[in-house]
Amino acid sequence: EPEVTQTPSHQVTQMGQEVILRCVPISNHLYFYWYRQILGQKVEFLVSFYNNEISEKSEIFDDQFSVERPDGSNFTLKIRSTKLEDSAMYFCASWGQGGREQYFGPGTRLTVT
Amino acid sequence: AQSVTQPDIHITVSEGASLELRCNYSYGATPYLFWYVQSPGQGLQLLLKYFSGDTLVQGIKGFEAEFKRSQSSFNLRKPSVHWSDAAEYFCAVGASYTGTASKLTFGTGTRLQVTL
Repeated sequence: EPEVTQTPSHQVTQMGQEVILRCVPISNHLYFYWYRQILGQKVEFLVSFYNNEISEKSEIFDDQFSVERPDGSNFTLKIRSTKLEDSAMYFCASWGQGGREQYFGPGTRLTVT
Repeated sequence: AQSVTQPDIHITVSEGASLELRCNYSYGATPYLFWYVQSPGQGLQLLLKYFSGDTLVQGIKGFEAEFKRSQSSFNLRKPSVHWSDAAEYFCAVGASYTGTASKLTFGTGTRLQVTL
């Protein structure tokens, strides 16, 4: 069964550093998403991406965040200058045309120290 | 804007007992509704989903959920809980616009504890 993969599984970084979280969505999917989950809290939508542009973003997704599909397979989330409050699990998801389910990756746990 | 309420933060049931986890949603039209399960430190696994048609939907692991439009609810049920069902359960709603995949809005989750 096709799956969404994410790397790394755990990233530790210092406050103020840039991080890039990587995702490989399911190959024929066209819609991509990032969500985050702060420890013990609910999953929150960050951004959706379609046709090489952001289709929707939440108020969490400020200028410190950016997304990119640098090639035909990867989908990345960049945080330019990490803050302590960016510590969370970040989930990538993808959705196929005509599909009715978002497939989630296993997540990347980001720890900012 | 869509929203989801899961009124129970934590539920404890005995193994073999029945389970019902509550979910209420707010959305202007017929929503897409989902239940996900998350084990500690793990990702999100889809249990079941509702889009249209039969209001009682069957999912994996013996779970089912019933969509009740009049109550804006989508409660998750299981007739007999197993110890391995202990996890966090999230209800989510997606907008139902045609041809567009929308974001999911999640509830705060219900943590299920199963006693032996």
